[in-house]
Amino acid sequence: KQEVTQIPAALSVPEGENLVLNCSFTDSAIYNLQWFRQDPGKGLTSLLLIQSSQREQTSGRLNASLDKSSGRSTLYIAASQPGDSATYLCAVKSGGSYIPTFGRGTSLIVHP
Amino acid sequence: GAVVSQHPSRVICKSGTSVKIECRSLDFQATTMFWYRQFPKKSLMLMATSNEGSKATYEQGVEKDKFLINHASLTLSTLTVTSAHPEDSSFYICSASPPGVGTYEQYFGPGTRLTVT
Repeated sequence: KQEVTQIPAALSVPEGENLVLNCSFTDSAIYNLQWFRQDPGKGLTSLLLIQSSQREQTSGRLNASLDKSSGRSTLYIAASQPGDSATYLCAVKSGGSYIPTFGRGTSLIVHP
Repeated sequence: GAVVSQHPSRVICKSGTSVKIECRSLDFQATTMFWYRQFPKKSLMLMATSNEGSKATYEQGVEKDKFLINHASLTLSTLTVTSAHPEDSSFYICSASPPGVGTYEQYFGPGTRLTVT
């Protein structure tokens, strides 16, 4: 059974810092990995999707990498801003299943 | 990108009543939709997979008779919480994947906050 862990659970940083959020998974036979952002009381917004054959994806200040062999993905946020404050979730779809397994998320606060 | 909507966004009901939550894919057809429940500061828990034209597939521990799912069309799935109790209070989120894209990227609705008094 796939298990997804996100570290740290919470993070508070000053504006302008570069951040790394970690996601690890136990079964490396994945189909894809997706990073989401969730604002309080809201649904999930897809940030980046990495297919199993890819190593990384970039969108603006966000960069997500994938290392299947070690069962890890990182979300890099450059030059963080207060508007980046949210909970970041990673979800892994394992091979043979279209149902993703979610981590518990990293709660990020970027203060001015 | 694909858009998924939910209605209502927030609902308060009395204990013992039933509440229906709608999930719609606005610009694509979805043969499969997913219903999740999220507790405060917890991750998403998959409740069931909603299949158009057939019965939903429920995850272990989820009561089928309490959480009724109907996937009436390719753009609409409904979740009905029957005989609601305060412990059913939670944030319910649905998702769907556009077919034929090949990436199986999931798109989520904005969620429904249910409070049972």
